[in-house]
Amino acid sequence: DSGVTQTPKHLITATGQRVTLRCSPRSGDLSVYWYQQSLDQGLQFLIQYYNGEERAKGNILERFSAQQFPDLHSELNLSSLELGDSALYFCASSVAQQRGYNEQFFGPGTRLTVL
Amino acid sequence: AQSVTQLGSHVSVSEGALVLLRCNYSSSVPPYLFWYVQYPNQGLQLLLKYTTGATLVKGINGFEAEFKKSETSFHLTKPSAHMSDAAEYFCAVSPPNTGNQFYFGTGTSLTVIP
Repeated sequence: DSGVTQTPKHLITATGQRVTLRCSPRSGDLSVYWYQQSLDQGLQFLIQYYNGEERAKGNILERFSAQQFPDLHSELNLSSLELGDSALYFCASSVAQQRGYNEQFFGPGTRLTVL
Repeated sequence: AQSVTQLGSHVSVSEGALVLLRCNYSSSVPPYLFWYVQYPNQGLQLLLKYTTGATLVKGINGFEAEFKKSETSFHLTKPSAHMSDAAEYFCAVSPPNTGNQFYFGTGTSLTVIP
């Protein structure tokens, strides 16, 4: 158990819909990262938040957005869903010192299926 | 720009044989290096990491990796494969002073043949 929790574990929805994925980081970790894992694209970094502020952006679509709340939990919002958005979405957390040598701890993931 | 190359998307070894999973990175500045393992339907778990110091690092489950700056490599090895090692393995790099941002390779799926 990494200490990172993600809900829900599975999500099935229809095209055009909007969903929210939730992540609670390990106690004491200030940084949260979101990743998308699909068979054809591998593990893609989406976005990073540090102590409530956006720190880095990766391959995140404009239809996707995220935020980190004062209690440090984070939500990833996916809207106007398409079939191609079906994937495993992982959240990770770390202490995230600027130097960058801290490992990221991954949650169990949310499997999104868009029908 | 950072890139991480894992040669061989699928590797098969016999139980008891040497495991060698390759990782090369491209970076003008040596990054911090990590190996993660992902078992089916689970999240990624850290196997080992290199930050500074000894270039041969030991991790969990008998795995180790050696950082070779001249070859920009961080290959993962295990002397004797076990059936429980069957999983997906990811190499990741984190450039210094980037706030812990990671760049992952495409992964190598390890199959262990009994």
